[in-house]
Amino acid sequence: EDKVVQSPLSLVVHEGDTVTLNCSYEVTNFRSLLWYKQEKKAPTFLFMLTSSGIEKKSGRLSSILDKKELFSILNITATQTGDSAVYLCAVYYGGATNKLIFGTGTLLAVQP
Amino acid sequence: EAQVTQNPRYLITVTGKKLTVTCSQNMNHEYMSWYRQDPGLGLRQIYYSMNVEVTDKGDVPEGYKVSRKEKRNFPLILESPSPNQTSLYFCASSTEGLDTQYFGPGTRLTVL
Repeated sequence: EDKVVQSPLSLVVHEGDTVTLNCSYEVTNFRSLLWYKQEKKAPTFLFMLTSSGIEKKSGRLSSILDKKELFSILNITATQTGDSAVYLCAVYYGGATNKLIFGTGTLLAVQP
Repeated sequence: EAQVTQNPRYLITVTGKKLTVTCSQNMNHEYMSWYRQDPGLGLRQIYYSMNVEVTDKGDVPEGYKVSRKEKRNFPLILESPSPNQTSLYFCASSTEGLDTQYFGPGTRLTVL
């Protein structure tokens, strides 16, 4: 069964902390892994990862993919209260079909 | 401004009363998709479309219909809504494939 599992389910940190969010997957015909940030509205795109070992970086956020071990991590350094959100991992896969499967997300709360 | 719009944003209806949720994008995107989001289950793909008149089922298509008669519009139709279709619905669009999607603001549907 195709699946995407995120951990932890929720996390509470203080401003300035560094956090690591995990995403593991099992799918056939992997195409890409995606990270989204969801506040009280629609998900917004963060990263797309297709190759192992190549870090994607945007400000304090970074992500990397390991296609051998079938997982990805999302790092957030020097967290701020504005980072509080649900972080969603999704995997785009499928041969002739187009499938996108989401994990249930990690709820991050950053306290002042 | 590039955007995906959905209407209505909120809807309360009764079992069996047909309804349509509209979705429109102004980015000339080929791909459009519908998702539902439920607590503990995450985002699940309902239907997607690769172009005009080309649609395919996602993971949870039962009880839903879609059509793609114009490139910019992708309405979601519930012919006979039931309470288990109470959910938060998102429309999304992308240029090629299901990565880097732009999500609409969401439609919160309650079926009594």
